Amino acid sequence: GAVVSQHPSWVICKSGTSVKIECRSLDFQATTMFWYRQFPKQSLMLMATSNEGSKATYEQGVEKDKFLINHASLTLSTLTVTSAHPEDSSFYICSASPGQNFNQPQHFGDGTRLSIL
Amino acid sequence: AQSVTQPDIHITVSEGASLELRCNYSYGATPYLFWYVQSPGQGLQLLLKYFSGDTLVQGIKGFEAEFKRSQSSFNLRKPSVHWSDAAEYFCAVSPYNNNDMRFGAGTRLTVKP
Repeated sequence: GAVVSQHPSWVICKSGTSVKIECRSLDFQATTMFWYRQFPKQSLMLMATSNEGSKATYEQGVEKDKFLINHASLTLSTLTVTSAHPEDSSFYICSASPGQNFNQPQHFGDGTRLSIL
Repeated sequence: AQSVTQPDIHITVSEGASLELRCNYSYGATPYLFWYVQSPGQGLQLLLKYFSGDTLVQGIKGFEAEFKRSQSSFNLRKPSVHWSDAAEYFCAVSPYNNNDMRFGAGTRLTVKP
């Protein structure tokens, strides 16, 4: 089945540093990838929709300068948390859908736990 | 805008008992409907999906869900729960014409021995 790989799975860093998270579709091409944030014991909140070769579409309230998204190829999207602070600590999950058909379910990565000290 | 409601935050069932997790949605048309399962610290795994056709859909791990248009519901069921089913379950909806998926708040399932 479709596989989405997310790296790293866990990162701890100091306040003020930037952290890059990668999301790769391993066996299909993903025109669109999605980035979610999940707080403990809560649901997934869509942060942004990443479109290959174009700018990401951010949800209301998500700072685009804080969460930089790049989707340079059909198999890779990256999320960079810039100048991270403790309040950015969270579980970040990416997902991808194969092709352009809207009836394709999203396949999720295993998530990245980000802890900012 | 579409929304998803999972009324039960936490459910506890005994191993071997039947299970039903509730999901209601609000959307102008029939959306695509999904159930995902998440184990602690993991991503989401798709259990099943409904796009059209037969309103009773079968998924992996012995799960099934029934779409009821009149009730705007898509409840997940399993006849006999196993201890390994303990996890967080998310219902999700997506419009038929884009990938904008919205998730319910989730239901945490605990399985008693």
